[in-house]
Amino acid sequence: TQLLEQSPQFLSIQEGENLTVYCNSSSVFSSLQWYRQEPGEGPVLLVTVVTGGEVKKLKRLTFQFGDARKDSSLHITAAQPGDTGLYLCAGVEDSGYSTLTFGKGTMLLVSP
Amino acid sequence: SQTIHQWPATLVQPVGSPLSLECTVEGTSNPNLYWYRQAAGRGLQLLFYSVGIGQISSEVPQNLSASRPQDRQFILSSKKLLLSDSGFYLCAWSGSDPGATNEKLFFGSGTQLSVL
Repeated sequence: TQLLEQSPQFLSIQEGENLTVYCNSSSVFSSLQWYRQEPGEGPVLLVTVVTGGEVKKLKRLTFQFGDARKDSSLHITAAQPGDTGLYLCAGVEDSGYSTLTFGKGTMLLVSP
Repeated sequence: SQTIHQWPATLVQPVGSPLSLECTVEGTSNPNLYWYRQAAGRGLQLLFYSVGIGQISSEVPQNLSASRPQDRQFILSSKKLLLSDSGFYLCAWSGSDPGATNEKLFFGSGTQLSVL
């Protein structure tokens, strides 16, 4: 069973469209992170959210941490081809000691 | 600034051959170091992490081993590769303890390993 479920698994859209991807779990997390990975490269950290209900913005990207700290969403406004990549969420469980756990990711393709 | 180097970028090895992947970090002291494997470009599986020289924690029992001979050097090895060892291997470092709320990982550029 995957601790962090990401949806959709794959998303193909046109430049200029808006989109939202989700990261859900039945577990509570002390923090959640979002990474973007381009083909043949390592993931790059975009943001960390730590407070339930927290919203962070990074240019056209808006990240939200659920009130119960079990889920997170990433919304992209006016997507551009440069946004193409694999978006991974990762979290640190709130229950005792554990290392960072990654979801399987959402592959986003933005066509011109 | 901190940098992480991982090599080689691509590796093709026959079944049964040995493996050695190396990762080094510059610009920081006593980093926490990690080896991940990513299958088919999806999801990251933590293989090993290290909080100090000679200290290795294994997350998944398997055909691989890790060593940390120096503070900023992390090596992934195998004596005999299996077909199932194929994948994209990523080294990462962090300034925070594993499992810390503020843990942030900085990844190398990865090694694509194909075992034939």
